[in-house]
Amino acid sequence: NAGVTQTPKFQVLKTGQSMTLQCAQDMNHEYMSWYRQDPGMGLRLIHYSVGAGITDQGEVPNGYNVSRSTTEDFPLRLLSAAPSQTSVYFCASHSTYEQYFGPGTRLTVT
Amino acid sequence: EDKVVQSPLSLVVHEGDTVTLNCSYEVTNFRSLLWYKQEKKAPTFLFMLTSSGIEKKSGRLSSILDKKELFSILNITATQTGDSAIYLCAVEPTNRDDKIIFGKGTRLHILP
Repeated sequence: NAGVTQTPKFQVLKTGQSMTLQCAQDMNHEYMSWYRQDPGMGLRLIHYSVGAGITDQGEVPNGYNVSRSTTEDFPLRLLSAAPSQTSVYFCASHSTYEQYFGPGTRLTVT
Repeated sequence: EDKVVQSPLSLVVHEGDTVTLNCSYEVTNFRSLLWYKQEKKAPTFLFMLTSSGIEKKSGRLSSILDKKELFSILNITATQTGDSAIYLCAVEPTNRDDKIIFGKGTRLHILP
């Protein structure tokens, strides 16, 4: 049982490039989320999903896309990276009793 | 608007002191309140609180919820340098289609 895994751990992009952050969980959780964490801002929800085929926007969805074709995977796509997207990104999956976070991806956009 | 407010934003104490971290919330359809500890990596789960007045305890950490006054506290007794971290509070709504709301965290630094 690996919990929540995220790849890559670090990434540097140039403005305008696109990429996908991968997230997977092996706990059969229906609920998964993507957050970004910035100094002084706490954790902010980007997108979330309550089950396969269902996604919804969080607090800061602009510039990001998600899909949930399976229960296990919840990738986050940056369509055209901008310096404002420099952040640490956490994926999480959620059961009835607690929320599990992935190890995070530190993204720098130059 | 739903919100979670933590205080203080930062706190510096000496090893051995006791600290109390506060979390107040305004959320429609409250389901549970969650506390996390975040060091350099991802947040790790501490407590989930759903009922008022029932203290949850784990070692030197304890937490309690007041659903009437809409707040929770996290106590850490006999603090150690390893307690230095950001402590996050989050509130989960009843409707699972609604998002979990996080506070901005309290940055705790323990001096040796």
